[in-house]
Amino acid sequence: AQSVTQPDIHITVSEGASLELRCNYSYGATPYLFWYVQSPGQGLQLLLKYFSGDTLVQGIKGFEAEFKRSQSSFNLRKPSVHWSDAAEYFCAVGPGTYKYIFGTGTRLKVLA
Amino acid sequence: DAGVTQSPTHLIKTRGQQVTLRCSPISGHKSVSWYQQVLGQGPQFIFQYYEKEERGRGNFPDRFSARQFPNYSSELNVNALLLGDSALYLCASSLAGGLEGGETQYFGPGTRLLVL
Repeated sequence: AQSVTQPDIHITVSEGASLELRCNYSYGATPYLFWYVQSPGQGLQLLLKYFSGDTLVQGIKGFEAEFKRSQSSFNLRKPSVHWSDAAEYFCAVGPGTYKYIFGTGTRLKVLA
Repeated sequence: DAGVTQSPTHLIKTRGQQVTLRCSPISGHKSVSWYQQVLGQGPQFIFQYYEKEERGRGNFPDRFSARQFPNYSSELNVNALLLGDSALYLCASSLAGGLEGGETQYFGPGTRLLVL
């Protein structure tokens, strides 16, 4: 069965520090992978997506993610975190049909 | 261009009541999907509609139903509300509903439903 695991429920980093959020998926073929961000009380905003091609994808707000097939991972990174990045981050896999399967999310706290 | 819009933003109901949530997709998008997000969890797929036809249904009881109108807007109905139905209900729109070929779903701000 398809699934997405985000092992870290909460992460705290200092402003200016680097960030890596982990995402592991289970899927039988090449997946379509997404990262979304959700600020409190808001909907989901797409940060980036991977469908094919270059395994390092660039997104908005300075985020990037790397698809590693051998590790079934799609980790999100940012070299320098800003206080406004505090939010909840969701990794999702699209099975190539019509729905996403989401992970349980990682809540990011940024210390000034 | 306007994004996905949902109404109402908040709603309070009591157990046993019925609720209708509304969604307007991005102009030009023909597919609408509905997700339920319980506090502390990721969104769970409920339905997808494309060209007014149900294309997929998640693991939700028959109390949940939806429809899509000729202008591609959509309604989600939930009957006989339970306390466990309290959640953020998200609507997402896409051009044709399929993820093949690089299609992306764009999410609205959601409707927060509280069942007392």
